[in-house]
Order: sequence, then C-alpha cells, then structure tokens
Amino acid sequence: QVTLKESGPGMLQPSKTLSLTCSFSGFSLSTSGMVVSWIRQPSGKSLEWLAAIDWDGDKYYNPSLKSRLTVSKDTSNTQVFLKITSVDIADTATYYCARSPGPPFDYWGQGVMVTVSS
Amino acid sequence: DIQMTQSPASLSASLEEIVTITCQASQDIGNWLAWYQQKPGKSPQLLIYGATSLADGVPSRFSGSRSGTQYSLKISRLQVEDPGIYYCLQGYSAPFTFGSGTKLEIK
Repeated sequence: QVTLKESGPGMLQPSKTLSLTCSFSGFSLSTSGMVVSWIRQPSGKSLEWLAAIDWDGDKYYNPSLKSRLTVSKDTSNTQVFLKITSVDIADTATYYCARSPGPPFDYWGQGVMVTVSS
Repeated sequence: DIQMTQSPASLSASLEEIVTITCQASQDIGNWLAWYQQKPGKSPQLLIYGATSLADGVPSRFSGSRSGTQYSLKISRLQVEDPGIYYCLQGYSAPFTFGSGTKLEIK
C-alpha cells in the first residue's frame, strides 16, 4: 500500500526558512524511474509544482522559486525534504508531496497547511 | 513555461448529463496530459494520464481525448459523487503546470 505523509511547522514568521518532510512507504525512491515531487496550493487557488527529486538523486526546480528551494532525500530513500528560504505571506499554502513512477503524480499525501504570519 | 488554459471555470450540470472540460496547451505536449479530481479538504486524485488512459479504479464514465494541443475530459453520465474541482496537468516539461481548475456542481 502506497502512502505519503507531509509534516511541517504549521506556522512560521516571514523571512524564516520553511522545512517540510515527506515520509512515504509502499514504494522505494531507489527504484529506477521513481520521482517524488512537491506541489503547493494556496487556499482557493490552483496547484503549483515546486520541485522534484528522482531515484538517481537528480533534482528539478520551478525556475520561479529556484533560488529559494532545496530538495533532498535521506539515505534510506524513505523521506524527501523541501526547504524554502525567506518565506513570505505568499508562501501560505497547503503543501503536498506526490510520487511519479511513470504516470505523473499517481499518489499524493494528505497535505500539510503552512501559514506565514508575523 | 507551458501554459494550460482550462475552461470553463465553473459548470453546473444535471445528474446523468454529459459533461466536458477542456484544457488548451500553449505548445505541443504530446500525450503528456493528466486530469485530476479534487474534493474539499482532500488531495487531488488521478483520473486520466497519457491524455486518454484511465487510472486504476476510476469509473469508465470518465474519459480523456486529445485534438492537437486541446485536451478534453468527458464524464459520460454525471453521478452524485462527481462534484469537485477538476484540474489538468502537463507533464511534458518542467516546470510542470496545472490548469486553473473547473468547479463542477450538480444542478
């Protein structure tokens, strides 16, 4: 059974660094072709793809946010992390992680709400 | 970035009615198009991938089609469990981009 679950701070202040964790089971990120992505959704708005990391450790970023994003994974290939530096109110959103074994984003986590507020 | 123009923004239809949602890609994306359904407070669920392939467990009343750079999602007979927001996604090239969404309601 494939499951993904995001975790994060819930709320943080502007200019701080947001750290998110995606913990997953039921598949291995070391499997050839496997990718885990981060996607976010402000309340009432559409979805925005942020970053991805693949089975080989290659990383991909949305150019609009690239300078602020860092995606990584743990050595056991059961967790993927995302850091966003210098957060702003505009970064308030629900953040999802999702996997892509081929068809894009077939399994998603439940999402974690992040509020940026002073 | 590849832009995905989705229409309509909202749609109200009767049960058993045929519903069609479209996405227009700003450039050729081949068959790298997926459709998702999102219900309130839930994560998106994959319906269609590869423009026309039905995801596992998705009812056969959902179908996808392509004409050039225009993609369509059709619900052949609207059911009570189908309301939600539908999104298209292009997976052809990063940054992967979503349509703006179509809110589907029962009339």
